[in-house]
Amino acid sequence: KQEVTQIPAALSVPEGENLVLNCSFTDSAIYNLQWFRQDPGKGLTSLLLIQSSQREQTSGRLNASLDKSSGRSTLYIAASQPGDSATYLCAVPFMGNEKLTFGTGTRLTIIP
Amino acid sequence: GAVVSQHPSWVICKSGTSVKIECRSLDFQATTMFWYRQFPKQSLMLMATSNEGSKATYEQGVEKDKFLINHASLTLSTLTVTSAHPEDSSFYICSAPGTGRGRDSPLHFGNGTRLTVT
Repeated sequence: KQEVTQIPAALSVPEGENLVLNCSFTDSAIYNLQWFRQDPGKGLTSLLLIQSSQREQTSGRLNASLDKSSGRSTLYIAASQPGDSATYLCAVPFMGNEKLTFGTGTRLTIIP
Repeated sequence: GAVVSQHPSWVICKSGTSVKIECRSLDFQATTMFWYRQFPKQSLMLMATSNEGSKATYEQGVEKDKFLINHASLTLSTLTVTSAHPEDSSFYICSAPGTGRGRDSPLHFGNGTRLTVT
């Protein structure tokens, strides 16, 4: 059974700092890994999807890396802004299809 | 981009009543939709997979008679919580694969429904 863990569970940093969120998964036989953002009481917004053949993916100030062999992914946020405050979730498909197993999430707070 | 609309965004109901939640793909067709549940400060747990034209597939431990799923068309899936109890209070989110192919397609999520059963 795939298990996805995110560390830390919560993180507070001053505005402008660069930061890294971590995601680890137990079964390295994944097809891709997806990072999402969830605002309080809201649904999920897809941020980045990394294919299993890729090592990293970039979108604006976000950079996600994937190391399948070690079962790890990181989400790097550059020059953090208060608007980045949200819960960040990583997720991997299981059972070879589009169902996702979600990580436990990291609640990020950017302090103005 | 692909948009998934979920309605209502919140609902309060009394114990024993039923509540229907709708999930629509607005600008694309979805033969499959996924229903997740999220308890406070916990991650999302998959409840069931909704399949257009066939029965839904439920995850282990999810009561199919309690959580009725109907995928009426290529753009609409509904989740009905029957005989709701306070322990059913949760955040329910639907999602649908985008227009890409298979497992490499990112999922698009609705904004969720906050259900409170009193």
